[in-house]
Amino acid sequence: SAVISQKPSRDICQRGTSLTIQCQVDSQVTMMFWYRQQPGQSLTLIATANQGSEATYESGFVIDKFPISRPNLTFSTLTVSNMSPEDSSIYLCSVEFFTGTGQETQYFGPGTRLLVL
Amino acid sequence: KQEVTQIPAALSVPEGENLVLNCSFTDSAIYNLQWFRQDPGKGLTSLLLIQSSQREQTSGRLNASLDKSSGRSTLYIAASQPGDSATYLCAVKEYGNKLVFGAGTILRVKS
Repeated sequence: SAVISQKPSRDICQRGTSLTIQCQVDSQVTMMFWYRQQPGQSLTLIATANQGSEATYESGFVIDKFPISRPNLTFSTLTVSNMSPEDSSIYLCSVEFFTGTGQETQYFGPGTRLLVL
Repeated sequence: KQEVTQIPAALSVPEGENLVLNCSFTDSAIYNLQWFRQDPGKGLTSLLLIQSSQREQTSGRLNASLDKSSGRSTLYIAASQPGDSATYLCAVKEYGNKLVFGAGTILRVKS
């Protein structure tokens, strides 16, 4: 299994500013995933971050708005740029691990609750 | 485009009841299906994972089934307890590593 931590756990920000969210994993992983969960809605994948290459963004998400860094195999950051109230969400970091039975299971961090005023 | 639907959106039951949560998906070309539990401030916890070739998985009081051809999965919780109160999320993994989530079922078990 994996232990994932995120910083900050929550923040309140003013529109127009940017926030960088950190994700730390206790084991080396190839791929890290960033998800967004808007109020009352399901999780949506923002991008997949591979170490040593550019992140792959899903439809509707762009690098200028959500730049991602992946400097090593245990750490990643997601920046929410030029924030607006519509960016108020929970942002979650996730990784995949093989369990003892050989199954790929996805593990999630505790999330970062962002409120943009 | 894959869409995942969960029914009901919310459920309130007395302690001790057996209950069923439903999940449906539109594209049967999935790699696996996973049920998660989400507690406030604690992220998501994986409960059960069913590979596309499997029909069901069991863990303690939880049993999840998968009927890929009809695009359905159910999560059965036996003898529910107040500690089971949480939001339950169904997610299908498409080939290419993408997880597509349902909106979740908010479960409240009353003591």
